[in-house]
Amino acid sequence: DSGVTQTPKHLITATGQRVTLRCSPRSGDLSVYWYQQSLDQGLQFLIQYYNGEERAKGNILERFSAQQFPDLHSELNLSSLELGDSALYFCASSVDTRQETQYFGPGTRLLVL
Amino acid sequence: GENVEQHPSTLSVQEGDSAVIKCTYSDSASNYFPWYKQELGKRPQLIIDIRSNVGEKKDQRIAVTLNKTAKHFSLHITETQPEDSAVYFCAASKGGSYIPTFGRGTSLIVHP
Repeated sequence: DSGVTQTPKHLITATGQRVTLRCSPRSGDLSVYWYQQSLDQGLQFLIQYYNGEERAKGNILERFSAQQFPDLHSELNLSSLELGDSALYFCASSVDTRQETQYFGPGTRLLVL
Repeated sequence: GENVEQHPSTLSVQEGDSAVIKCTYSDSASNYFPWYKQELGKRPQLIIDIRSNVGEKKDQRIAVTLNKTAKHFSLHITETQPEDSAVYFCAASKGGSYIPTFGRGTSLIVHP
């Protein structure tokens, strides 16, 4: 167990809908990262937050957004869902942006029908 | 940006054999290279990492080597066991944000 928690574990929804994925980092970690893992694209970095502020953006679609709250948990919002958004979404955390090691959560498996 | 190539995509070995997975990276500024093991449907787990000021690192049956000049690094697993069967990902990142760029993964199958 990495200490990073994610909810829900599974999510099934329909095209056009909106969902919110939640992540709680390890105790003491200030930095949160979101990744998407699909069969054809591999593990892709989406976005990073540090102590409530956005720090880096990767291959995140405009339909997706995220935020980190004062208690350091983070939410990833996916809207206008398409079939191709079906994937595993992982959250990871690290102590701060200077710490290389990231610890991954168990992931949320999203299925868009 | 950084580009990480990983080979092979699939590796099948007999229990007790050694396994080697190779990665190359493009950005000479990358200085941190973690390796993750991911079992089916589970989270990636860090198994070993190496920083650019070190050429080799070993942890029991697992070792990683880094050649900065050639910009490649490798994972070596000795005395493989069936429980080593998983997908292994290499990654490269650099100081600042340490956002990793991942390889496409190697599916390691260890036959009993």
